[in-house]
Amino acid sequence: AQKITQTQPGMFVQEKEAVTLDCTYDTSDPSYGLFWYKQPSSGEMIFLIYQGSYDQQNATEGRYSLNFQKARKSANLVISASQLGDSAMYFCAMSGTAGKLIFGQGTTLQVKP
Amino acid sequence: NAGVTQTPKFQVLKTGQSMTLQCAQDMNHEYMSWYRQDPGMGLRLIHYSVGAGITDQGEVPNGYNVSRSTTEDFPLRLLSAAPSQTSVYFCASRPGSSYEQYFGPGTRLTVT
Repeated sequence: AQKITQTQPGMFVQEKEAVTLDCTYDTSDPSYGLFWYKQPSSGEMIFLIYQGSYDQQNATEGRYSLNFQKARKSANLVISASQLGDSAMYFCAMSGTAGKLIFGQGTTLQVKP
Repeated sequence: NAGVTQTPKFQVLKTGQSMTLQCAQDMNHEYMSWYRQDPGMGLRLIHYSVGAGITDQGEVPNGYNVSRSTTEDFPLRLLSAAPSQTSVYFCASRPGSSYEQYFGPGTRLTVT
């Protein structure tokens, strides 16, 4: 069975500093995708970044990068130069067959001014 | 494009009532899914569809029915609402050629 684990219920970071949100996963499928979503207090799900299991390089999208370590089954999100607007809940997710997503329990990030 | 739309945004039901949550997408996506999010938790898959006429169960399907008669629409039916179904419901879609899922704004359902 597929599983996503986020072990940090809450994180604080100072504005303009970098922060890493942890995510580990478990799957027996050779092909899968890993995602990070942001959910602000308004409730919508915002797609941040995607990493395919066969991608050789770590994905980057602006200030977001995904530190993909396949052997360790980890897919940590790195946010550089944190901004106050980054305060939100962050979810790691994994896709399997038919595009189904399995989500972790989330990490609440608070950015301090 | 409107993307993925969901109606209603909020709904209060009494135990035992039935209702349908609507979901529509105008991007011609093959795959559509319904998720529920309980407080402090991630999203859990209820039902999904890989195309018109094809649906399957996800992780938490009990108490819900779906159908997919068109590519655009994927309604979720609550047969007999229970307080345990109080949650935020998200509909999502994605094209067959991409992994990225597009989420609707969600429906907040309260069952009393």
